[in-house]
Amino acid sequence: SAVISQKPSRDICQRGTSLTIQCQVDSQVTMMFWYRQQPGQSLTLIATANQGSEATYESGFVIDKFPISRPNLTFSTLTVSNMSPEDSSIYLCSAATDANEKLFFGSGTQLSVL
Amino acid sequence: GESVGLHLPTLSVQEGDNSIINCAYSNSASDYFIWYKQESGKGPQFIIDIRSNMDKRQGQRVTVLLNKTVKHLSLQIAATQPGDSAVYFCAENLGNQGGKLIFGQGTELSVKP
Repeated sequence: SAVISQKPSRDICQRGTSLTIQCQVDSQVTMMFWYRQQPGQSLTLIATANQGSEATYESGFVIDKFPISRPNLTFSTLTVSNMSPEDSSIYLCSAATDANEKLFFGSGTQLSVL
Repeated sequence: GESVGLHLPTLSVQEGDNSIINCAYSNSASDYFIWYKQESGKGPQFIIDIRSNMDKRQGQRVTVLLNKTVKHLSLQIAATQPGDSAVYFCAENLGNQGGKLIFGQGTELSVKP
């Protein structure tokens, strides 16, 4: 299994600002993904974080709004840019050792935008 | 896209009873399925998985059943305990799409002592 640490665990931000969320895995992993979970809802995939190349975004998510970095096999960041109250959500980092293996999740970042 | 304003379905059971949580998945090409448990303020926690070449898999107090004909997945929890209270999600791996998981809507399990 992989242990995933995310920080910050929560933040309250002002409209128009940006927040970068960090995700650290305790071992090298092949796959890393970022999900969003709005209050009382399920998880929605934002993007696949690709090591050494641009992230692959799902429909409805764009790089300008959610830039992602993945400089190595254990670390990734997600930035939520130019925030609005609609971005208030939990953002979750996940990782797997292989495309056909289970995903492990961090504890999430609870973001509130005022 | 995302749906707005949904409320999770809720299952309420008595402590000691068995629980059955159901999930319908969407893609016939999905070949790997996982159940997650999410407690308040935490990330999803892996419970059990099953691959499409199986129709049943058992773990400790949990069993997953897969019916590919009707694209249905269920999670059975035996002798449900108060600590089982959480939201449960099924997730499907679409196969050949880089390992990403698509999550179902979730079910909130409430266990009454």
